[in-house]
Amino acid sequence: QSVSTQPPSVSAAPGQKVTISCSGSSPNIGNNYVSWYQQFPGTAPKLLIYENNKRPSGIPDRFSGSKSGTSATLGITGLQTGDEADYYCGAWDSSLSNYVFGTGTKVTVL
Amino acid sequence: EVQLVESGGGLVQPGGSLRLSCATSGFTFSSYWMSWVRQAPGKGLEWVANIKQDGSRTYYVDLVKGRFTISRDNVKKSLYLQMNGLRAEDTAMYYCAREFGSGSYGYWGQGTLVTVSS
Repeated sequence: QSVSTQPPSVSAAPGQKVTISCSGSSPNIGNNYVSWYQQFPGTAPKLLIYENNKRPSGIPDRFSGSKSGTSATLGITGLQTGDEADYYCGAWDSSLSNYVFGTGTKVTVL
Repeated sequence: EVQLVESGGGLVQPGGSLRLSCATSGFTFSSYWMSWVRQAPGKGLEWVANIKQDGSRTYYVDLVKGRFTISRDNVKKSLYLQMNGLRAEDTAMYYCAREFGSGSYGYWGQGTLVTVSS
């Protein structure tokens, strides 16, 4: 079940910036850390952002995360063709005692 | 290097059972919560279940409660998912995932495909 809403798709030209929103509620985004994942077709997801705004080793600083209240945002600057993928937010939901992923956003580089 | 390798997927008839396994290496398995996440063909990610380090606590998504059981063997460094009463809507790629930091999954297996069909 997805309780966090993301736009189905975003697009921009190479070199530009895109932002992906993730709207949740108090039990999930409002009171727990948000993570972001990147997934290419036919492959496993990859962690991009954890604990709202931290990047694991090896993730370029073109990727950034932020959180405010019950919403979170992933930003990608200097967009590259290799960034074309699906992106998901995720957070623990303290009410459901489940981890919940966002609905997913497809990034297209024009 | 952290490695997660799933196995056990396949084609099963509705109502049937499967047991998925996830063999791990490269980290202290007994120190981490472990989870199963699935993805139906062409759909988004769906968290299925997780299990505490010593196996004393488990959580499930409502859709699988009473049908799936997550377990672990800390000696064998392996995670399992026993799936009973399978339905067509359980058809998905099933990933084993390890926590990273607080509230995220930093390590994933390659997945094992479960197809429920007659």
